[in-house]
Amino acid sequence: GAVVSQHPSWVICKSGTSVKIECRSLDFQATTMFWYRQFPKQSLMLMATSNEGSKATYEQGVEKDKFLINHASLTLSTLTVTSAHPEDSSFYICSARDPARGAGELFFGEGSRLTVL
Amino acid sequence: KQEVTQIPAALSVPEGENLVLNCSFTDSAIYNLQWFRQDPGKGLTSLLLIQSSQREQTSGRLNASLDKSSGRSTLYIAASQPGDSATYLCAVRGHTGANSKLTFGKGITLSVRP
Repeated sequence: GAVVSQHPSWVICKSGTSVKIECRSLDFQATTMFWYRQFPKQSLMLMATSNEGSKATYEQGVEKDKFLINHASLTLSTLTVTSAHPEDSSFYICSARDPARGAGELFFGEGSRLTVL
Repeated sequence: KQEVTQIPAALSVPEGENLVLNCSFTDSAIYNLQWFRQDPGKGLTSLLLIQSSQREQTSGRLNASLDKSSGRSTLYIAASQPGDSATYLCAVRGHTGANSKLTFGKGITLSVRP
């Protein structure tokens, strides 16, 4: 149980285009999902907290208009990187907590590697 | 601001060895601590979760301990195997509860030699 799935696992796009990454909780409902970014050999950095039915909460320094987050259902959150540039190339990972477990344990998706040419 | 440190950044051991991975954090007011495994180019797999009131958790060959007052946690891996080769990250959650921010260390990349 507590499976989180991300799609796509990798994407290559041209500079200036927008890319959407999906995060799904497959066997539980997640009112809250988290989006992280990871650079090579670095920690995961929290970008934003996605709340079902309301606006996402962004961490300091993360551009809201650049990284659009939508959490329209209890099993799906999406991250759209708008007008992507090479510096946006990174590994993006989402996570979710299963409220039924109550322990605060986070489960992560497989990650999505974005390469912007 | 919470900071999580994992030293060394990389570790190489022969197969069969018991080993300890260390994690330290600066703010002892935490809700819980979680150890993860990350294979190259992949997401994170949760290994063990220790609540702030607990001292240790065990799962198979893995044992994680928590000393909250000193800001330390260790992940013990018994009888290491080549399949254990991966990056191990620890992360602490803020004291405000289950949805509070998770702060990660940079991870320890473990290589187990056959």
